[in-house]
Amino acid sequence: AQSVTQPDIHITVSEGASLELRCNYSYGATPYLFWYVQSPGQGLQLLLKYFSGDTLVQGIKGFEAEFKRSQSSFNLRKPSVHWSDAAEYFCAVGARSGGGADGLTFGKGTHLIIQP
Amino acid sequence: NAGVTQTPKFRILKIGQSMTLQCTQDMNHNYMYWYRQDPGMGLKLIYYSVGAGITDKGEVPNGYNVSRSTTEDFPLRLELAAPSQTSVYFCATTGLLSYGQYFGPGTRLTVT
Repeated sequence: AQSVTQPDIHITVSEGASLELRCNYSYGATPYLFWYVQSPGQGLQLLLKYFSGDTLVQGIKGFEAEFKRSQSSFNLRKPSVHWSDAAEYFCAVGARSGGGADGLTFGKGTHLIIQP
Repeated sequence: NAGVTQTPKFRILKIGQSMTLQCTQDMNHNYMYWYRQDPGMGLKLIYYSVGAGITDKGEVPNGYNVSRSTTEDFPLRLELAAPSQTSVYFCATTGLLSYGQYFGPGTRLTVT
């Protein structure tokens, strides 16, 4: 069975500082990996995705993520955070590009707090 | 192009009442999903559909039912509401050539 672990429940970062959110997955085949962001009271928005090719993927809002097969990780990074980045971040894995018949398996999320 | 819409946005139910959460998409996607989100637990799949007339259970289907009579609509039915169903419910869709899923804004349900 596939699973996703986000080890950090909360992370606090100063505005302008760099950010790394950790994600580890368990999956038997080549995974489709995603990062979503959820602002308070909102739905989930896709930040970026990985399914093959270059292991460093770029997303929206200045985010990037690196796939490391040997570590079963897909960590999200941003060089300089803005106050508007404060949100909940979810890592997800699926069997197909859209999740397919089984949907996506989500981690429990990391709550990002931005200090002024 | 509205994407994925959900109604209502908020609802309070008494124990034992029933209700239907509506989900409509205008992206002509085959796949539709219902997830519930509980604090600190991420999203759990309740039911999904791979096309009109075809539905199947996800990880946490107990207490819920779904139907899919059209491509656009995928309602979620709660027959006998229980406090354990207090949650935020998200509908999502994806297509055969899509990457990732597209989420609606959610319905916040409280059962008291």
